[in-house]
Amino acid sequence: EAGVAQSPRYKIIEKRQSVAFWCNPISGHATLYWYQQILGQGPKLLIQFQNNGVVDDSQLPKDRFSAERLKGVDSTLKIQPAKLEDSAVYLCASRAGGAGRDEQFFGPGTRLTVL
Amino acid sequence: GNSVTQMEGPVTLSEEAFLTINCTYTATGYPSLFWYVQYPGEGLQLLLKATKADDKGSNKGFEATYRKETTSFHLEKGSVQVSDSAVYFCALSDGNTGRRALTFGSGTRLQVQP
Repeated sequence: EAGVAQSPRYKIIEKRQSVAFWCNPISGHATLYWYQQILGQGPKLLIQFQNNGVVDDSQLPKDRFSAERLKGVDSTLKIQPAKLEDSAVYLCASRAGGAGRDEQFFGPGTRLTVL
Repeated sequence: GNSVTQMEGPVTLSEEAFLTINCTYTATGYPSLFWYVQYPGEGLQLLLKATKADDKGSNKGFEATYRKETTSFHLEKGSVQVSDSAVYFCALSDGNTGRRALTFGSGTRLQVQP
């Protein structure tokens, strides 16, 4: 079974530029999460999707961050414009859901550096 | 809100030493508890989990027991190996809301020397 795929793996941009990250979850997984992991900290939830609907985006800075999951499969997270404090690893995770299928599977992450 | 506190690292041990990484949590209701591990250059992987009080999760020689009375989920291993060197994250999932997003601690780096 293929794991969660993310691209790009690394991205360097200047502040005020825009950037987009892509995630392809494990096939059949209905729930998809985006987390932000700042260096030295644990991951923090940005947004959660159930199929193509948003379940929780209360921690997403909506003035600059946006995310979508069209067709309930792939997802894109965008930052526009980026700030220095957005430098972090952005992790995508997916979960099948249902009895006994509670584990979240994480992708390798995209490391963003904002200069 | 929910929160997880774990001991700061790095923790440096010699091979075959006993490992304990402390983790305590604050949550309403009855969360599920997890330990995730991140090996160098790799993504987060689930190490073990426990879903209710007094449950013991175990995997690859690691163990952790869900202690509701002390709100703790300490990670232990009797004899560490160099290959256990990684960052370990304690996390909880709030089952009450059904959303099951994870709240993580800040991570503890383990370095095992031969």
